[in-house]
Amino acid sequence: GAGVSQSPSNKVTEKGKDVELRCDPISGHTALYWYRQSLGQGLEFLIYFQGNSAPDKSGLPSDRFSAERTGGSVSTLTIQRTQQEDSAVYLCASSFQSGGYNEQFFGPGTRLTVL
Amino acid sequence: QKEVEQDPGPLSVPEGAIVSLNCTYSNSAFQYFMWYRQYSRKGPELLMYTYSSGNKEDGRFTAQVDKSSKYISLFIRDSQPSDSATYLCAMTDSSNTGKLIFGQGTTLQVKP
Repeated sequence: GAGVSQSPSNKVTEKGKDVELRCDPISGHTALYWYRQSLGQGLEFLIYFQGNSAPDKSGLPSDRFSAERTGGSVSTLTIQRTQQEDSAVYLCASSFQSGGYNEQFFGPGTRLTVL
Repeated sequence: QKEVEQDPGPLSVPEGAIVSLNCTYSNSAFQYFMWYRQYSRKGPELLMYTYSSGNKEDGRFTAQVDKSSKYISLFIRDSQPSDSATYLCAMTDSSNTGKLIFGQGTTLQVKP
């Protein structure tokens, strides 16, 4: 079956612009996660959705970052007024459910470059 | 100090060598331990999963968890050039979120 998909695969933007990153999880997966992978920092958790609710937003680095999920499916991560330090690979993962251990399946990521 | 520490390498070994990768962690609440493999410009894929302390073997791969020392390891036997990738340790507690805390990742190159 289809895995997690993300779009765009690459995004180059100018400092100060807003960007939207999209994630399509595996069908039927109720839990969705966003992570950020930057050089020297590894993978860092950003936000977790259960259905359309986001009970854990603790990893969002600033109020310029927001995310939503609609229909218990597609999620969008929005970064407003982008800064150069936002340059990273943004990874989305989904799992059948959350709690304890449930395998997270990752998408290929969106590589964001802020000039 | 990060919750999970992992030497980023790079690590270069000849084909057929035994590879040892490891992570240390500080949060005693972690119960589930994973190793992910990530090829260049791809998303991570789950390689091994272990619950609590103990060993788990899958083909050429063995995962070990020592909760008393807060230390986990991944061993790769008879390493192949196709094993060249970044290996990420990840862990989570038993909370409802399931969010993963990752190490920095170790870049491995297996030379033919």
